[in-house]
Formats: sequence, C-alpha cells, structure tokens
Amino acid sequence: EAGVTQSPTHLIKTRGQQATLRCSPISGHTSVYWYQQALGLGLQFLLWYDEGEERNRGNFPPRFSGRQFPNYSSELNVNALELEDSALYLCASSPTWGDIAEAFFGQGTRLTVV
Amino acid sequence: KQEVTQIPAALSVPEGENLVLNCSFTDSAIYNLQWFRQDPGKGLTSLLLIQSSQREQTSGRLNASLDKSSGRSTLYIAASQPGDSATYLCAVNIMAGNMLTFGGGTRLMVKP
Repeated sequence: EAGVTQSPTHLIKTRGQQATLRCSPISGHTSVYWYQQALGLGLQFLLWYDEGEERNRGNFPPRFSGRQFPNYSSELNVNALELEDSALYLCASSPTWGDIAEAFFGQGTRLTVV
Repeated sequence: KQEVTQIPAALSVPEGENLVLNCSFTDSAIYNLQWFRQDPGKGLTSLLLIQSSQREQTSGRLNASLDKSSGRSTLYIAASQPGDSATYLCAVNIMAGNMLTFGGGTRLMVKP
C-alpha cells in the first residue's frame, strides 16, 4: 500500500513568488494535514483539510492557503514568498477525524526561498 | 496553550545500551500521544501511538509509556543499534483531528 506522497521533493523559488506543494494521502484517508519544519523552530501545524473543507489552521498568515480535491489529495499554496518561508513542508494523513487515529507523514517538500 | 518538551536534546550512546527518551506536556487533556522517528532531511516515521486511556505500547525493541496525570511519556529503546541513530519526536493530539503539537526532539547517535 502506498504511503503519503508529496511532490516536488525540492523547490527553489525567488522571494515574492508563489509556491505550490502537493500531497496525496494514503488510500482511504480523508484528512490531510500540513506542517512546517523550519530550522530552529521545530514542527508547527499549518492546516487541516477534511472532506474538502478547511477544518483548522495554525498561527500562520493568510498567504498560506490550500485546498483539498474530491480525491482527497491536497495542495498547499504559499504566496508572496519570504526568505523565512524556507523550510521542510510535511504532509500527513489519517482516517476521518471522527476516529482518533495515527497520523502518517510523507517525505516532505524542501522549499528554499532565495 | 499546550507545550511539549523533550529531554535530552541530544544523546550519544555506545551500541547495545538500553536508553530512555523523555517527553513532557503541560496540558494533560490529550487524546493521544505519538512517537516519531525522523532521519536527516526526511519525513516522519510513526513508531508508536498511545491513546489517552492506555498506559503503554510496545513494538519490537521499543516501548512507550504514558502518564497523563503527570504529563509525561517515555520511549524506551532496548539494545540500541547504530541504525537507531535519528531524531525522535513526541507529539500530542489535544482535540478531535490530528493537529499535533510537537516537542523539539531528541537527536540520538548510537556509536558502533
């Protein structure tokens, strides 16, 4: 069974540009979560999507946004990139949030803003 | 606000040692706690999930315990191997959904 897959693996963007990161959850999982792991800041919760709806977001500005598609895959968009957005972005999936279940993570997208 | 702390931040041990990694959290009202492993520059691998009603979970050489009332969890690694070298992260889930709050991690090095 395929795990959580993320693309691209690496992404280099210029300050002010937009970045789009993609995530495919484990088959049967309806919830997708995005986390940011910036150097020195640890892992921080960004966004949670379930059944196509944004359920919750962490303490990040509105230029971090995303969506979830009918097949439960998800996109994370970061607009007006800043140097401090450089980080490893991790996607996780779990069964519908009604079940308190294990979160499974992908390998991440390394975003570098220059 | 939930805060998660992991001690020690780094640990270096010779191969074969049994070791304990510690995780503490400030709010005992949690749904579950997960332990993860992260290799450099990679994603997270789930090791163990402990529900709030459970006291411990075991998988192979790994054993995790949970004491909700005191806000503590420990990850016990038996007979450590060089392949265990990685960063170990604990995370707590405080509400429905899986919006995890992570500790800063313990960077483990097991020397041959």
